[in-house]
Formats: sequence, structure tokens, C-alpha cells
Amino acid sequence: GAGVSQSPSNKVTEKGKDVELRCDPISGHTALYWYRQSLGQGLEFLIYFQGNSAPDKSGLPSDRFSAERTGGSVSTLTIQRTQQEDSAVYLCASSLAPAASSYEQYFGPGTRLTVT
Amino acid sequence: AQSVTQLGSHVSVSEGALVLLRCNYSSSVPPYLFWYVQYPNQGLQLLLKYTSAATLVKGINGFEAEFKKSETSFHLTKPSAHMSDAAEYFCAVSEQGAQKLVFGQGTRLTINP
Repeated sequence: GAGVSQSPSNKVTEKGKDVELRCDPISGHTALYWYRQSLGQGLEFLIYFQGNSAPDKSGLPSDRFSAERTGGSVSTLTIQRTQQEDSAVYLCASSLAPAASSYEQYFGPGTRLTVT
Repeated sequence: AQSVTQLGSHVSVSEGALVLLRCNYSSSVPPYLFWYVQYPNQGLQLLLKYTSAATLVKGINGFEAEFKKSETSFHLTKPSAHMSDAAEYFCAVSEQGAQKLVFGQGTRLTINP
């Protein structure tokens, strides 16, 4: 079946512009995660959605970052007033309802964001 | 707080040789542990996971890892390296009941012919 898809695969933007990154999780997966992969910081958790529960936003680095998940499926990560330090690969993952955290997270190919 | 340390940002082995990638974790509660592999320009793929069942875990592509509580380690091994194993490998931990993964810094594995 189809895996996690992300769009765009690459995004180049000017400093100060807003960007939106999209994630389509695997059908039937109720949990959705965003991570950021950068040279300096490695792989970092950003935000987690589970069903209709309030999202865990504890990993968002600043209030310029926000995310939403509409209809329990597609998610959009928005970065406002982008800065050069936002340049990274943004990875989305999904999993079955994780009553316990042993459920495997399936990762998408990522969106490479470059802020010039 | 949880953390993961991967010893060696870059490991190089000859084709056919043993692969050993080291991972140590810290967690205040029994953890779940994972190894992921990332090929160039791709997302992460799960190799194997430990979830408090057998301490020796077998994964895909001939990889296995052993959970050693006394050493807080979860090292990844493969008896005989193949050229296709060249990739970046990430160890990750999550607390039971928590959802996010905490990753190590990654180890880039190079296979020499």
C-alpha cells in the first residue's frame, strides 16, 4: 500500500517568507508526527497528533512554527517568517493508534527546506 | 530525560566483515528501543525494535541487536557486511506510554570492497 507522502520534496524560500509543508499519512494511521533533521541538531521531535486529542507541541522550537491536522488525516506544518536556521529536512511519520509507544512509526521521504 | 548516544559518527568496514554500531541510552523508566536506517535522500526505515520481550532482537536485512540493561546498551550487529548496507543508522528511544522518539546523532556506515 501507499506509504507516508510529503510535499514538496524540496523548497527554497527567501528569509522572512512563510512556508507550508504537507504530510499525507498512511490510511488508517491515527497518530502523526513531525521531526526535523538538521546538520547541527540531528533528528528532533517537533509535534505529535493523536486522533482528536490536543497535539503535543513540546518540540516546536519557536512560536513561528505551527501545525494542524485536518479531519484526522493530512497535516500541514507552517513556518512563518523563515530564518536561515530553519533550513533542514522536515520528516513526517505516522503510526497506528499508539496506546503504547511500541507501535512502529513509518516515515515519509521528507521535505528539504532551504532558506536563503 | 531520555537521551541516546551513538559512539562513532562514521564507521567503515570491509565487505564481509562484522558490522558493530554502538548505542547507549539513558531513561528513567524501562524504554522501548529502535534502530532505523536512512538511505540517501530517503526517509527512515525501521530495522528492529525492542519492546521488553526477548533481549536479542532480530531485524531485517540480517541485522540484530541485544538489549543489555546492566550496560544501558542496544548495539546493532550484522555478521557479514554487504555493499548495500552503506547508509546512515539511527538509534532511538521512547518511554513506555510516551509517543515521541528521541534519536541519537546517527552513524554513517561505509562498506569497503
